[in-house]
This record gives sequence, structure tokens and C-alpha cells, in this order.
Amino acid sequence: DAGVIQSPRHEVTEMGQEVTLRCKLISGHNSLFWYRQTMMRGLELLIYFNNNVPIDDSGMPEDRFSAKMPNASFSTLKIQPSEPRDSAVYFCASSPIPQNTEAFFGQGTRLTVV
Amino acid sequence: EDQVTQSPEALRLQEGESSSLNCSYTVSGLRGLFWYRQDPGKGPEFLFTLYSAGEEKEKERLKATLTKKESFLHITAPKPEDSATYLCAVRILGFQKLVFGTGTRLLVSP
Repeated sequence: DAGVIQSPRHEVTEMGQEVTLRCKLISGHNSLFWYRQTMMRGLELLIYFNNNVPIDDSGMPEDRFSAKMPNASFSTLKIQPSEPRDSAVYFCASSPIPQNTEAFFGQGTRLTVV
Repeated sequence: EDQVTQSPEALRLQEGESSSLNCSYTVSGLRGLFWYRQDPGKGPEFLFTLYSAGEEKEKERLKATLTKKESFLHITAPKPEDSATYLCAVRILGFQKLVFGTGTRLLVSP
């Protein structure tokens, strides 16, 4: 298995533009987590899904952020409009449920909003 | 409020100099404590899971232990390739998500 795959690896965009980050889960996993990592705040959970259903989106900072799982193996995180303070590394991770196992992370997308 | 605190923030060791990293937690109900390693420009890589006080896990030069309030990651005779950020996370009773500490940046000099 290739692991969790994220794209793009790097994204530079101008303030006000729409940004879409993509994630492909590990085959057989049915929990999906989106995290944001910054130097100041570390890894913060934004949202997570079980079986394509959003379970907890309390970490989504604003309405500018939205996440979807159109199918069991794929997810998107969209920021519209983007702002410079959104600059961070965004990770997605997947795990099987209901087992109490570890989550496996992708390589991340480094987002820079100028 | 559920909290995970890691110390120290940064640690510099000489090759072969053993030490320990600390992860203390205050949670309403622990369903697992996880250690990850993160290299620059990469995603966190899973190392260990501990579920109950007294449990220990080992992998090469690393050993993780767990008490009711904290976990330690012991590094024995570290090598430069052990340099990374080490993250701990907890899974809380009733929740699927992992709550992370801010990590310890370890640098091992030859």
C-alpha cells in the first residue's frame, strides 16, 4: 500500500483565492482526519470523518474552511477565500475503526498564502 | 479541559548520551497514548501505542513507558539519525480523534 497520499505537496496562492487540498486514504481505512500544523500551535485537528460522515468539525477555524468525503477513499479540504494566516502545513491521516489503533499520516501540503 | 504537555521543547544530546522525553496528560479518560516521530518536511510516523499504566514498548534504541499521568520516551545511546521531533498524542474515551502535544525537537550530535 502506498500509504496516505496528499496533493499538492506545496501550494502558493494569493490572498482571496480558493485553495483545495486533496487526500487519498489507505485502502480499508474508514476514518479520515485533517490536521493543521504550525510552529506556534503544533498539530491541531480540524475535522474528522467516520465512514464518510463528518463526526467532529469543531476545529474548523471559520466558515471559509470546508471538507468533504465524496467517496470512501478520497477527501478534500477547501479554503475560500484564503488568507495569509491560513499558511501552515496541512496533514490528513487515516485509520481503521472501530479498532483503537494509530492513525497514519500523509506527507502534508505546505500552504503559503501571500 | 483535556491537555497534553511535552517537555523539554528541545533537547540536544551527544551521540551515545541517553536521555528521556516526557509527555504529561490530563484527560477525562485515556483510550491510548501514541508516540510519533516527525522528520522535517514529512508527516508524523507512528512509533508506539500504550494503553494502560505500567505498559512498556521497545523499538531499537527507544522505549516508551506509561503511568497514570505521564509517558516517557527513553532514548538509549542515541545516534545522529535519531534526530527528529517526537510527538505524543492521546485518544480520549468516547472520541476517535488524537490530541497532540507540541513535540520535543531532538538533535543528536556525532
